[in-house]
Amino acid sequence: EAGVTQFPSHSVIEKGQTVTLRCDPISGHDNLYWYRRVMGKEIKFLLHFVKESKQDESGMPNNRFLAERTGGTYSTLKVQPAELEDSGVYFCASSRLLAGVSGANVLTFGAGSRLTVL
Amino acid sequence: QKEVEQDPGPLSVPEGAIVSLNCTYSNSAFQYFMWYRQYSRKGPELLMYTYSSGNKEDGRFTAQVDKSSKYISLFIRDSQPSDSATYLCAMKVGGAQKLVFGQGTRLTINP
Repeated sequence: EAGVTQFPSHSVIEKGQTVTLRCDPISGHDNLYWYRRVMGKEIKFLLHFVKESKQDESGMPNNRFLAERTGGTYSTLKVQPAELEDSGVYFCASSRLLAGVSGANVLTFGAGSRLTVL
Repeated sequence: QKEVEQDPGPLSVPEGAIVSLNCTYSNSAFQYFMWYRQYSRKGPELLMYTYSSGNKEDGRFTAQVDKSSKYISLFIRDSQPSDSATYLCAMKVGGAQKLVFGQGTRLTINP
């Protein structure tokens, strides 16, 4: 089974520019998550999709961040315009949708997209 | 105050030693407790998860949860150089999807 794929692996942009990160989840995984780790801090939740629907976007920092999951397959996370504090590693994770189960949901993480804003 | 506190280390021990990694938390609603291992330039990989209190063992790894103290631990027996990685604790409320992570402890096992 192929894992969660993210690209680019590293992006360097200037403040004010736009960056789009992409995540391809494991095939058949309806749950898709975005997390972010800012340097020196813990990994923090950004948002959760079930198929193409946003279930929880409580972690999105502000309206400069836009996540989409067209057709319930891959997802993109766009940052526009980027600011210095957006630098960090953006992780995508996916899991199966287990109907009626509220237990531990085993997430598979991608390797992350490192974003550097200069 | 952070919901989950974890000493970032770094922690360096000789090969064969028993390693103890710990997290404390403040949210008493957390019910699922996980330990992830992350190698450099890779994503976090789930090692173990525990529901509520108690112990869980998997090979050289043992996870413990003490909900009364809001304290969780991961023990690694007979540590190997290949165990060198960052270990992250993560927790969630039952039924919720969002994981809350600790900062991660960077561990090095010296041959």
